[in-house]
Amino acid sequence: DAGVTQSPTHLIKTRGQQVTLRCSPKSGHDTVSWYQQALGQGPQFIFQYYEEEERQRGNFPDRFSGHQFPNYSSELNVNALLLGDSALYLCASSAYLTGTSSYNEQFFGPGTRLTVL
Amino acid sequence: DAKTTQPTSMDCAEGRAANLPCNHSTISGNEYVYWYRQIHSQGPQYIIHGLKNNETNEMASLIITEDRKSSTLILPHATLRDTAVYYCIVRGGPYGGATNKLIFGTGTLLAVQP
Repeated sequence: DAGVTQSPTHLIKTRGQQVTLRCSPKSGHDTVSWYQQALGQGPQFIFQYYEEEERQRGNFPDRFSGHQFPNYSSELNVNALLLGDSALYLCASSAYLTGTSSYNEQFFGPGTRLTVL
Repeated sequence: DAKTTQPTSMDCAEGRAANLPCNHSTISGNEYVYWYRQIHSQGPQYIIHGLKNNETNEMASLIITEDRKSSTLILPHATLRDTAVYYCIVRGGPYGGATNKLIFGTGTLLAVQP
C-alpha cells in the first residue's frame, strides 16, 4: 500500500515564475492538506481540500492556490514566486471523519523542496 | 488552539528512556495533546495523542498531568533512529467533519547519542 507521494522531489525556480506541486494521498484517504516548512521552522498550514473544495485555509496570500481532483489527488500552485517561498512543501492526507472519533491520523508525504533564486 | 512550549533540544543516551516535556497551560477542556516527530528530510510522523488519560502504543507513552497543563512523551528505549524533531500540538478533537489543521511550533530536537 503506497503512502502519500509527492512530485517532484526537488524544484528550482526563479522569482516571478509559477510552480505546480503534486500530491497523491494514501489509499483510502479523501482529504488533502498542504503545509509549508521553512528551514529551521515547523510546518505551517496552507490549506485543506475535501470533495474538490478548499475547506480550511491558513494565513497565506492568494498567490497560493490549490485543486483537488476526483481521484482525491491534489495540486498546489504558487504564482509570482518570491525568494521567501523557498521551503519544503508537505502534503498530508487523511480520511474525512464520520461520526465521532478522537482523531483521524494525518499521513505526510516526503515533501517537495522548492528553491527560488 | 492552545499554544505549546517545548525545549529547543535534548540529548539522550542510546537504550535509555527519552522524556520530552511540553507545556500547554492554556489548553481547554475539549482539546487533545498530539505528538508528531520529523526525522531529517522526511515528512512528520504521528506518534500518539491523548485527552486526559495516559496513553501508550508501540512507539511511545504519553503522560498528561492531572490539570492537563503539561505532558511528557516517553520513548522507553531510545535508539539512534529516534533522533528527530518532536512536535507537541494541542488541538480540538475532530468530532466529525474534515481534519482540523495542525499548528506546529518549532519542536524539540532530540539527539540520541551512541
